[in-house]
Amino acid sequence: RKEVEQDPGPFNVPEGATVAFNCTYSNSASQSFFWYRQDCRKEPKLLMSVYSSGNEDGRFTAQLNRASQYISLLIRDSKLSDSATYLCVVSGSSNTGKLIFGQGTTLQVKP
Amino acid sequence: DAGVIQSPRHEVTEMGQEVTLRCKPISGHNSLFWYRQTMMRGLELLIYFNNNVPIDDSGMPEDRFSAKMPNASFSTLKIQPSEPRDSAVYFCASRQTEGKLFFGSGTQLSVL
Repeated sequence: RKEVEQDPGPFNVPEGATVAFNCTYSNSASQSFFWYRQDCRKEPKLLMSVYSSGNEDGRFTAQLNRASQYISLLIRDSKLSDSATYLCVVSGSSNTGKLIFGQGTTLQVKP
Repeated sequence: DAGVIQSPRHEVTEMGQEVTLRCKPISGHNSLFWYRQTMMRGLELLIYFNNNVPIDDSGMPEDRFSAKMPNASFSTLKIQPSEPRDSAVYFCASRQTEGKLFFGSGTQLSVL
């Protein structure tokens, strides 16, 4: 089993739609969680951290479910510019500093 | 801040040749990561360093791969001998402890 798993998609949605991605992780001792965004032929960039209580940044909401070992990303009112690959990132056990990336979920927002 | 700097941006080489990829992390960052990205396998962690010391190299695929970090401002990833299946984008990233991870622009490696 992969340490971090995501549905690769692609998710094809119209502008204005709400779309959600899930990511599961295998290491119950993981302490830190993030969502990164990667545009075609570019490097990944941090979209947002994921906190235990859930957090929101504009149209983006991230949630963590430790019991079921998954994190989610919700995008409301999708824009064409949201088209990208979204990478789930999970740390290793505490204090190791190791960061494991999922394979990514591709989102295509269409007019 | 110049960000994480990788060189070269593109490398085309023939099978069997030695390849050296270079990375300059952001000043003040104490952790450095090497990742490889392919369509089939996504972004794989190869090795990472804390304070110039290799902490986990379990992702290094074979003995043909080696990485060094002689000081806080420089790291290399070497492949010797290179093979066509090594073709991928290699990313270097750095961060302060528990901080945001910043990536370089990557090196596109093609082994013919």
